[in-house]
Amino acid sequence: ELKVEQNPLFLSMQEGKNYTIYCNYSTTSDRLYWYRQDPGKSLESLFVLLSNGAVKQEGRLMASLDTKARLSTLHITAAVHDLSATYFCAVDIQGYQLTFGKGTKLSVIP
Amino acid sequence: GAVVSQHPSWVICKSGTSVKIECRSLDFQATTMFWYRQFPKQSLMLMATSNEGSKATYEQGVEKDKFLINHASLTLSTLTVTSAHPEDSSFYICSASGLAETQYFGPGTRLLVL
Repeated sequence: ELKVEQNPLFLSMQEGKNYTIYCNYSTTSDRLYWYRQDPGKSLESLFVLLSNGAVKQEGRLMASLDTKARLSTLHITAAVHDLSATYFCAVDIQGYQLTFGKGTKLSVIP
Repeated sequence: GAVVSQHPSWVICKSGTSVKIECRSLDFQATTMFWYRQFPKQSLMLMATSNEGSKATYEQGVEKDKFLINHASLTLSTLTVTSAHPEDSSFYICSASGLAETQYFGPGTRLLVL
């Protein structure tokens, strides 16, 4: 059974600081996704990582994938309040069936 | 990007009634649609996967007779919660994927059963 573990589950950080969210998974996977969810809303796609060593950046967020370590990271640079949300990683197995991590609730404090 | 809609966005119903939720892919043909359930402050749990014209594949622990899924066309899937009870109250999210296999998520439907 595939397990996807995120840590931390809760993260409170000050504006302007940097931090990293980790996503470990237990089985070889084809793809890894990062999503953002605002309260009461559905998922917003952030990144799709397809291969070992893949790195993608959008604004203050950067995601990377190490398939050998079965680890993905979501790095936040110089956090701003607008980044407050819950972030999920999800791993693709058996084609395109997604297994989600528990999510990391990020609060950026002024 | 690809757009997926859900209707209704929220619904309140009495215990024992049935509720139908629609999921539509607006600008692409969805060969596969997925239904997820999310309890407050928890992650998404896959309930079932459906391919157009085929019976849905349900995840372990999900009652087929309670959560009826129909994927009658390449742009529409429906989830019917039959004889709903308060414990069925949740946030239901669908996603759809076409040939590229990337899943596009709908905005979700919040169900409250009184």
